[in-house]
Amino acid sequence: QKEVEQDPGPLSVPEGAIVSLNCTYSNSAFQYFMWYRQYSRKGPELLMYTYSSGNKEDGRFTAQVDKSSKYISLFIRDSQPSDSATYLCAMSAGGGNKLTFGTGTQLKVEL
Amino acid sequence: DAGITQSPRHKVTETGTPVTLRCHQTENHRYMYWYRQDPGHGLRLIHYSYGVKDTDKGEVSDGYSVSRSKTEDFLLTLESATSSQTSVYFCAISERGQDEQYFGPGTRLTVT
Repeated sequence: QKEVEQDPGPLSVPEGAIVSLNCTYSNSAFQYFMWYRQYSRKGPELLMYTYSSGNKEDGRFTAQVDKSSKYISLFIRDSQPSDSATYLCAMSAGGGNKLTFGTGTQLKVEL
Repeated sequence: DAGITQSPRHKVTETGTPVTLRCHQTENHRYMYWYRQDPGHGLRLIHYSYGVKDTDKGEVSDGYSVSRSKTEDFLLTLESATSSQTSVYFCAISERGQDEQYFGPGTRLTVT
């Protein structure tokens, strides 16, 4: 079993929908959590960074961390075609910051 | 891409040849990382550096070596390339060990 599990999709939604992307993990030492967006043939781009449990909001994006359930989520409100990309979750226990990534969820937002 | 460049961006090479990929940053960040990205595996850490001449192995380091002689440059070397090293390679940087990482544009390597 992988340390970080992420549904690969593809996930297809209509424009304007609320999107929920999720990752589960097994290592209770993880305390730093990140979401990256990766367009085709580009490098990953940092979207959200959170420490420990709780919520963080940035524009249309909200990241949630539930350490008791070992579950993190990224919500995208009012999704746009430009949100079509692969979304990667990543997490770290700190101390050198070696990130462990999920395999990514491919999202397509259709007009 | 947060002041990170990678060269070359594309390379095709033959099995058994040495290959060096370069990562250059203008952010003066202490930490630098090399990842490979493959379908079904996501991003996996090859090696990382926590300062000039200070490096350590990641989870898939076999067949790879690294060097960092200057803060801004981190080199990844495949001593004798194999077809299993065909992949997309990303460099990343981080200011401190617990901070978020920023990625470069990637190098697409094909070993024939």
